[in-house]
Amino acid sequence: DSGVTQTPKHLITATGQRVTLRCSPRSGDLSVYWYQQSLDQGLQFLIQYYNGEERAKGNILERFSAQQFPDLHSELNLSSLELGDSALYFCASSVAAGISSTDTQYFGPGTRLTVL
Amino acid sequence: AQSVAQPEDQVNVAEGNPLTVKCTYSVSGNPYLFWYVQYPNRGLQFLLKYITGDNLVKGSYGFEAEFNKSQTSFHLKKPSALVSDSALYFCAVRDGTGGGNKLTFGTGTQLKVEL
Repeated sequence: DSGVTQTPKHLITATGQRVTLRCSPRSGDLSVYWYQQSLDQGLQFLIQYYNGEERAKGNILERFSAQQFPDLHSELNLSSLELGDSALYFCASSVAAGISSTDTQYFGPGTRLTVL
Repeated sequence: AQSVAQPEDQVNVAEGNPLTVKCTYSVSGNPYLFWYVQYPNRGLQFLLKYITGDNLVKGSYGFEAEFNKSQTSFHLKKPSALVSDSALYFCAVRDGTGGGNKLTFGTGTQLKVEL
């Protein structure tokens, strides 16, 4: 158990809908990362937050947004869902933020999103 | 941009034999390299990382990795494979572009250990 929790484990929804994925980082970790794992794209970085502020952005669609709250949990919002958004969404956390950081990212169990 | 490549989609090895899962990297600056393992329906589990120092890095579950700067490789190894090691293995490199701390992953290598 990495100490990173994600809810829900599974989510089935229809095209055009909006969903929210939730992540709680390990105790003491200030950075939260979101990754998407799909068969055609592999594991891709979406976005990073550090202590409530956006720190880095990857290949995140405009239909997707995220935030990190004062208690450091994070939510990933996916809207106007398409079939191609079906994937496993991982959250990870680490202690520090960036450039000089060499710390390890620990991953949660993921949320499997199925868009029908 | 930082990148890693895993040239083998699948590696098959007999239980008790040594295993190697290959990874090569392309980075500007110092490479910070990681190995993760993913079991079916599970998240990614951290195995080990190379930051600096000794080229042989020891990690969890008896795994180790050898950093080779001249060959830009970071191969994962284990002296004696177990059936329970069967899983999907990912090599990753830290990418600090833009001030963040993202990981860029390889495509993954499916390891199958047979009796």
